[in-house]
Amino acid sequence: GAVVSQHPSWVICKSGTSVKIECRSLDFQATTMFWYRQFPKQSLMLMATSNEGSKATYEQGVEKDKFLINHASLTLSTLTVTSAHPEDSSFYICSAVQGAGNTIYFGEGSWLTVV
Amino acid sequence: TQLLEQSPQFLSIQEGENLTVYCNSSSVFSSLQWYRQEPGEGPVLLVTVVTGGEVKKLKRLTFQFGDARKDSSLHITAAQPGDTGLYLCAGAYGNDMRFGAGTRLTVKP
Repeated sequence: GAVVSQHPSWVICKSGTSVKIECRSLDFQATTMFWYRQFPKQSLMLMATSNEGSKATYEQGVEKDKFLINHASLTLSTLTVTSAHPEDSSFYICSAVQGAGNTIYFGEGSWLTVV
Repeated sequence: TQLLEQSPQFLSIQEGENLTVYCNSSSVFSSLQWYRQEPGEGPVLLVTVVTGGEVKKLKRLTFQFGDARKDSSLHITAAQPGDTGLYLCAGAYGNDMRFGAGTRLTVKP
């Protein structure tokens, strides 16, 4: 199947700093990517839909100025958590839509810990 | 926004038992995917169903797509502890994608 890769797989940052997470579709082009947040033992929470060449669409309650999304190319979307706080600590997952079949492939996830 | 209703949300069973997970919507899907996620990892695609009434089997897992393409089910026969995980369905509506809240399955030895 198609491969979606996230980097870094885990990161620890200080409170108040910003951290960037990358999501790449390695063997296909994705005009649409999704970013999710997942707390322990809970399901995925969709944060935003990332569209190549246009602004991201954020879900209700997600601060777009805090979670900056850039979909600069057909194979790369980035999520930047700005002015991170301990409550932003979570598992962040991206997914990419492949082709006309609309199959979603997920990245491996990125653990963010804010201290 | 999660427009797919998944049930049950939690399921704890003994090894060897059978179970069924459901995914329902009031809208018609053009396709639907089932995923399984283990703790600390991203979800892994299990199957994609496209045709109404379609049934796909993956070893002990049987996936069925409703005739009207508004619902789907995942049936596991003789569950094993290795089946433990979060099962997610995701449906395509034209150019949009929606997903269920997930079913957290625990299979006890």
